[in-house]
Amino acid sequence: DAGVIQSPRHEVTEMGQEVTLRCKPISGHDYLFWYRQTMMRGLELLIYFNNNVPIDDSGMPEDRFSAKMPNASFSTLKIQPSEPRDSAVYFCASSLTRLQETQYFGPGTRLLVL
Amino acid sequence: DAKTTQPTSMDCAEGRAANLPCNHSTISGNEYVYWYRQIHSQGPQYIIHGLKNNETNEMASLIITEDRKSSTLILPHATLRDTAVYYCIVRGSARQLTFGSGTQLTVLP
Repeated sequence: DAGVIQSPRHEVTEMGQEVTLRCKPISGHDYLFWYRQTMMRGLELLIYFNNNVPIDDSGMPEDRFSAKMPNASFSTLKIQPSEPRDSAVYFCASSLTRLQETQYFGPGTRLLVL
Repeated sequence: DAKTTQPTSMDCAEGRAANLPCNHSTISGNEYVYWYRQIHSQGPQYIIHGLKNNETNEMASLIITEDRKSSTLILPHATLRDTAVYYCIVRGSARQLTFGSGTQLTVLP
């Protein structure tokens, strides 16, 4: 299995531009999580899905952030418009249904907003 | 989920056992203790988890005290590749993982 796949691995953009981050979870996993990591705030959950349905988006910072999961094998996290404070590493993770199941993390997307 | 307390950093000599402590004094009966690690510039990696019994797998051992208020992750023979930030996480019914600051373990040659 290829594991959780994220793209792009690195993104540099200018303030005000739209940014789209992509994630392919491990096949058969029905939970998908988006986390963000910064030096100041550490690793924090943004949103998670179960069977393609958003369950908890309380960690999404503001309306500029949106996430979708159109099917079981693909999710996007969009920032529009982007701001310098959005610069961070964004991780996607997936897991199976069983409550104490392990979460598997992707390699992350390193975003820099100038 | 209960809060955890870990030392900010630790050093360990290569080939020796690394013992990483974690305090979780407010843990409740149905909460598990999880350990993840994050090697620089990579995504977090699952290591091990347990409820109240000691656990061992190919990566590490987890020792949980009888009162469950603290635990220790043991890497039996640390290598340079074990240098990473180690996160102790207490997780109950919540689906998400709540990461603290973790312990930066540096394995020295």
